[in-house]
Amino acid sequence: GAVVSQHPSRVICKSGTSVKIECRSLDFQATTMFWYRQFPKQSLMLMATSNEGSKATYEQGVEKDKFLINHASLTLSTLTVTSAHPEDSSFYICSAPGGFTDTQYFGPGTRLTVL
Amino acid sequence: AQSVSQHNHHVILSEAASLELGCNYSYGGTVNLFWYVQYPGQHLQLLLKYFSGDPLVKGIKGFEAEFIKSKFSFNLRKPSVQWSDTAEYFCALRTDSWGKLQFGAGTQVVVTP
Repeated sequence: GAVVSQHPSRVICKSGTSVKIECRSLDFQATTMFWYRQFPKQSLMLMATSNEGSKATYEQGVEKDKFLINHASLTLSTLTVTSAHPEDSSFYICSAPGGFTDTQYFGPGTRLTVL
Repeated sequence: AQSVSQHNHHVILSEAASLELGCNYSYGGTVNLFWYVQYPGQHLQLLLKYFSGDPLVKGIKGFEAEFIKSKFSFNLRKPSVQWSDTAEYFCALRTDSWGKLQFGAGTQVVVTP
C-alpha cells in the first residue's frame, strides 16, 4: 500500500526557535496533504490542508503565521512551527490521499517537545 | 457544523469477547465514514470505510461496521477479539471531496489475555 513518511520522528527544541517537519509520499504523488495535531489521549485535530503549488488552507483558529506550510512538490509538504512555545508541544501527523482508493494514508507522526 | 462522537473512551475486555464501539455523527448531507486504528507506537491505519451501497461493511482483521442513516451511526464490531486488537480506535467523517477528515475522540481498547 501507499506509504507516507515523516521526518523527524521526534524533536526537542528550545522556546523561541523554529522547527521544520517534513511529510513525504514515498510511492505516489499527492497534490493535497493534510496536517493534524494530536494532543495526549485526545483525537486528531485538522490544522490545515496543504496544496501543491498554492497556499495552504488553514482551519479556523489555527495561526497561519505560526504554522507555515509549504507544498513545494508532489511528494513533499513541510510544516514549520515558528517561534515555538511549550504549548506547541504535541504530536503532528500528516496524511495524503492515495490514488484512486480515496483513502487517506497517514504518516507515523512527529513528536515535538518545546522546552 | 459536523461532529463525530464516540461513546466509550476506554474499553477493557477479555480475549474472545465481542467488541462493539459506538460512533455517531452530526451532518445533514452525504457522508463518507471511516474507522481507523492506531496500534501502540504505530501510525493510523484504515480498518474500513463506508461510501455508499451496502450499509454493512467489512474491513480488515475481522472488523465490520454498520451504517444506520436514521440513527446517524456507524458502529464498529468484532465478534471475537484478540490480544493484538489492543489499540486506539478512531471514527472519522468526511463531508467534502478534498478528503478532510473529522475524527471522534477515540476509544482506547485493551484486550486482556
